[in-house]
Amino acid sequence: EDQVTQSPEALRLQEGESSSLNCSYTVSGLRGLFWYRQDPGKGPEFLFTLYSAGEEKEKERLKATLTKKESFLHITAPKPEDSATYLCAVQETSGSRLTFGEGTQLTVNP
Amino acid sequence: EAQVTQNPRYLITVTGKKLTVTCSQNMNHEYMSWYRQDPGLGLRQIYYSMNVEVTDKGDVPEGYKVSRKEKRNFPLILESPSPNQTSLYFCASSFTSGNTIYFGEGSWLTVV
Repeated sequence: EDQVTQSPEALRLQEGESSSLNCSYTVSGLRGLFWYRQDPGKGPEFLFTLYSAGEEKEKERLKATLTKKESFLHITAPKPEDSATYLCAVQETSGSRLTFGEGTQLTVNP
Repeated sequence: EAQVTQNPRYLITVTGKKLTVTCSQNMNHEYMSWYRQDPGLGLRQIYYSMNVEVTDKGDVPEGYKVSRKEKRNFPLILESPSPNQTSLYFCASSFTSGNTIYFGEGSWLTVV
């Protein structure tokens, strides 16, 4: 059974204080690992897809990396508008089911 | 504008009264799916569809039905809703499985 564990559950940062979110996963064969941002009461908003170990993707202050067992979402010099819940999900090669972690709730204080 | 549209957005209903949550996408996507989101449990997949007339169970399919008669629509049916189905529901779609998945805005369902 696929498993996705995100840590920490919650993270408070000061504006400009860089940090990383972790997503550990167990899957028989990885088709893709997805990162999403979710604001309260809204649908998840796509950020990145990573397909193979060693892959990295960047978007503004965010950078996602992937190893064979985990993914990191690095946030450089965050701003208050980066406050949200960040979700990680994996999709296995054998099927189309998508398994989500419970998310990391990020708060960036001005 | 590319979007996934769910209706209703908010609904309060009574136990046992059949209801349907509609989902429509305008991106010609083959893959569509339904999720529920509950505090402490995260997003869990209910059902998914690889294409028209092709559907399969996700992690929590009990109490739900789906159909995919047209490519753009993927309704979620609760034949006899119960209070434990009170949740926030999301519909999602992608071009094929493995591609970027786009989510709707969510449907808040309360069963009393």
